[in-house]
Amino acid sequence: EVQLLGSGGGLVQPGGSLRLSCAASGFTFSSYAMSWVRQAPGRGLEWVSAISGSGGSTYYADSVKGRFTISRDNSKTTLYLQMNSLTAEDTAVYYCANSIMITFGGVIVKGPYFEYWGQGTLVTVSS
Amino acid sequence: EIVLTQSPGTLSLSPGERGTLSCRASQSVSSSYLAWYQQKPGQAPRLLIYGASSRATGIPDRFSGSGSGTDFTLTISRLEPEDFAVYYCQQYGNSPKTFGQGTKVEIK
Repeated sequence: EVQLLGSGGGLVQPGGSLRLSCAASGFTFSSYAMSWVRQAPGRGLEWVSAISGSGGSTYYADSVKGRFTISRDNSKTTLYLQMNSLTAEDTAVYYCANSIMITFGGVIVKGPYFEYWGQGTLVTVSS
Repeated sequence: EIVLTQSPGTLSLSPGERGTLSCRASQSVSSSYLAWYQQKPGQAPRLLIYGASSRATGIPDRFSGSGSGTDFTLTISRLEPEDFAVYYCQQYGNSPKTFGQGTKVEIK
């Protein structure tokens, strides 16, 4: 059974930093791209970032580029999201998801879409 | 950016009825790279359909997807009590990857 357990959310002040983690099990972690998707309270879904199975390629939405860093440790089957310079607009539930994605020359040509999702971790940016 | 507009915003139906949900794109979606997700209150989304019409693993056959280009449809042939939820479409053929705003299927 695929399990994705997100953690690390909490309350942080504007301009602050937070690191999210997502522990994966039940599938061959290193074979899959992984993503973070967020959902602001009462709002829809927004893809945030993706990383290839090897970790060698990373991709970001324009809204977080330069502030967020996605990474993974395949030996620990864990995905991370380092979030810096947080603003109120980053307040959301953050979901990790294993992702179906095809890349060519470092460019995403298809995907990602999200096959399995974690339970989400809430990040609140407020003073 | 491809904007996905879902309609109706809310669909009120009774168990056993047929539900038809629409997702319209502001420009053509590459190779029908469109997915549908179901989300229940307090839960993560669940993948239902990818490639516009392929059911994900474990999804009952009462869920079906169709469409191409700019017009896509999710059909639930006979609503079960557990199907009352919010449904989102997502295009993954063009950057940025975008989601629709959702259709809520509620019990009439």
